[in-house]
Amino acid sequence: QVQLQESGPGLVKPSDTLSLSCAVSGYSISSHHWWGWIRQPPGKRLEWIGYIYYSGSTYYNPSFQSRVTMSVDTSKNQFSLKMTSVTAVDTAVYFCARTESAAVGSPFDYWGQGTLVTVSS
Amino acid sequence: EIVLTQSPDFQSVTPKETVTITCRASQSIGFSLHWYQQKPYQSPKLLIKYASQSFSGVPSRFSGSGSGTDFTLTINSLEPEDAATYYCHQSSSLPRTFGQGTKLEIK
Repeated sequence: QVQLQESGPGLVKPSDTLSLSCAVSGYSISSHHWWGWIRQPPGKRLEWIGYIYYSGSTYYNPSFQSRVTMSVDTSKNQFSLKMTSVTAVDTAVYFCARTESAAVGSPFDYWGQGTLVTVSS
Repeated sequence: EIVLTQSPDFQSVTPKETVTITCRASQSIGFSLHWYQQKPYQSPKLLIKYASQSFSGVPSRFSGSGSGTDFTLTINSLEPEDAATYYCHQSSSLPRTFGQGTKLEIK
């Protein structure tokens, strides 16, 4: 059973860096899928942040391009998100998810439970 | 960026009814349209992939259709547990985008 679990600080100060990890269990992150981050601000629609492949290849949403870095640690079977210079508008529930196949256009079939990150001083 | 617009934003229905939710894309996306169900405080769950293919384990009362710019999600014989917000999602081009959601209330 594939399981994803986000972890990281629930409170980040404005202008600081948001750092989250997604631990994958029941499945190897080195298998042929893309691993993604999606966020959901309170009461708003889902927003795609980007994908990473186990090889390190990435696609980022241009809205976040200059502030986001994704990385993968195959030894720990996890992947991570860093977002710099956060402001209050970055307050959201952050989800990690897996694409159904190696095709970058495939849907997300497994999701983490989500973690709320609040940006506030 | 492809904008996905869902209608309606909210619908209140009774059990056993049939409901249709539509998703319109701002440009053609072929069949690269997927539907998710999200209940409060939960992560989205994949229901329909590539416009009309049912995802494993999803009840047969959920079905999808459409191509190009116009897509529909149909839920037949609604059950009380279908109360949720439904989102469409396109994977045709970058950046990936989602619809604004349709909240379904079961009376």
